[in-house]
Amino acid sequence: GDSVTQMEGPVTLSEEAFLTINCTYTATGYPSLFWYVQYPGEGLQLLLKATKADDKGSNKGFEATYRKETTSFHLEKGSVQVSDSAVYFCALSSPNSGNTPLVFGKGTRLSVIA
Amino acid sequence: DAGITQSPRHKVTETGTPVTLRCHQTENHRYMYWYRQDPGHGLRLIHYSYGVKDTDKGEVSDGYSVSRSKTEDFLLTLESATSSQTSVYFCAISSAGGLYEQYFGPGTRLTVT
Repeated sequence: GDSVTQMEGPVTLSEEAFLTINCTYTATGYPSLFWYVQYPGEGLQLLLKATKADDKGSNKGFEATYRKETTSFHLEKGSVQVSDSAVYFCALSSPNSGNTPLVFGKGTRLSVIA
Repeated sequence: DAGITQSPRHKVTETGTPVTLRCHQTENHRYMYWYRQDPGHGLRLIHYSYGVKDTDKGEVSDGYSVSRSKTEDFLLTLESATSSQTSVYFCAISSAGGLYEQYFGPGTRLTVT
């Protein structure tokens, strides 16, 4: 079945460092790909998405490119801030899944220190 | 922000008691979902609904039931709560299944003692 694999955390970075969180997927057909962010004590928020190969999703300085050849959707940010500390989830939605909802990775916790 | 509320936000209950969590949306979205979130497991789907009175099981449905009598409300019931059901429960909505993103509620923290 469809699956998402994320790099395990926690990831600890200093402020203004470069961030990469790896995400690879296994899916039939051409899935849509998403990154969600969860701040402490809150629900998940959609951060960005990409619906076809080579699409780049971006939001709040974060970017991710849908790479079909490597089945990847890595999240990047050029300069992280303390306020980016959160848990980040990669997810996919397959066009062949019918009513089946998103498939999530297990999440990667990011801590940014000043 | 999508109009999704969950109630209660926090609950402590005893083993063996029934518990009902409510999810309410104002977006008129067709699809609604219940997840649980536990350390080391990420998000796991419990049940979902693709219309009024149309529901289906997710990967961890044992011990849970759901009902949806109106588009805006999706109820999750633990018939007889157990300590293993201590978790944070999230509701989500989507305008359609398949390729569409989901929007999440703020969560309910349930503790079963």
